[in-house]
Amino acid sequence: SQQGEEDPQALSIQEGENATMNCSYKTSINNLQWYRQNSGRGLVHLILIRSNEREKHSGRLRVTLDTSKKSSSLLITASRAADTASYFCATDANRGSTLGRLYFGRGTQLTVWP
Amino acid sequence: IAGITQAPTSQILAAGRRMTLRCTQDMRHNAMYWYRQDLGLGLRLIHYSNTAGTTGKGEVPDGYSVSRANTDDFPLTLASAVPSQTSVYFCASISEETYEQYFGPGTRLTVT
Repeated sequence: SQQGEEDPQALSIQEGENATMNCSYKTSINNLQWYRQNSGRGLVHLILIRSNEREKHSGRLRVTLDTSKKSSSLLITASRAADTASYFCATDANRGSTLGRLYFGRGTQLTVWP
Repeated sequence: IAGITQAPTSQILAAGRRMTLRCTQDMRHNAMYWYRQDLGLGLRLIHYSNTAGTTGKGEVPDGYSVSRANTDDFPLTLASAVPSQTSVYFCASISEETYEQYFGPGTRLTVT
């Protein structure tokens, strides 16, 4: 399977601290995406990084991609209680007929304490 | 409506019964997906559709069927529900411009 795997499974921090989550995958990819899921809700897209990119920023989010190590990291700076959610990485290794098929990891549960 | 809607929000279903989960999008996206989410297993793809009139099998298709009669609707049917199909089901579509997937709010299904 080329499913992404997040690490750690759970992360608990104080408001204002930075949160770093990692993702490893097994096969070559076209892009890697990070999604957020609040409890009881659907997933929301956060950021996409293409295989030829090494780093990408969006607000307080910073994503890195190391294709040689088949790994990615998501950094949330100056975390807030509202960042409490599950975070998933998803890999797109689409080669062929399935447009945009993503393989999701099991997620990291982030808890930010006020 | 804006984005993707799913119905019902939740359902308790007796084993052996037939059930259709509805999904509708208003973004005119060509490709759509059905996932199931189980604790500890993340999201797994059940079926997908690249465009109206076509469908394909995902990672865990057994016991499920889909149809795509038009661009907006992508229903998922359980012909004869079993307890192992207890899960949260998410419908999604993809923007061909950004490759971002948009998810519905999910249907929580319990098969007893």
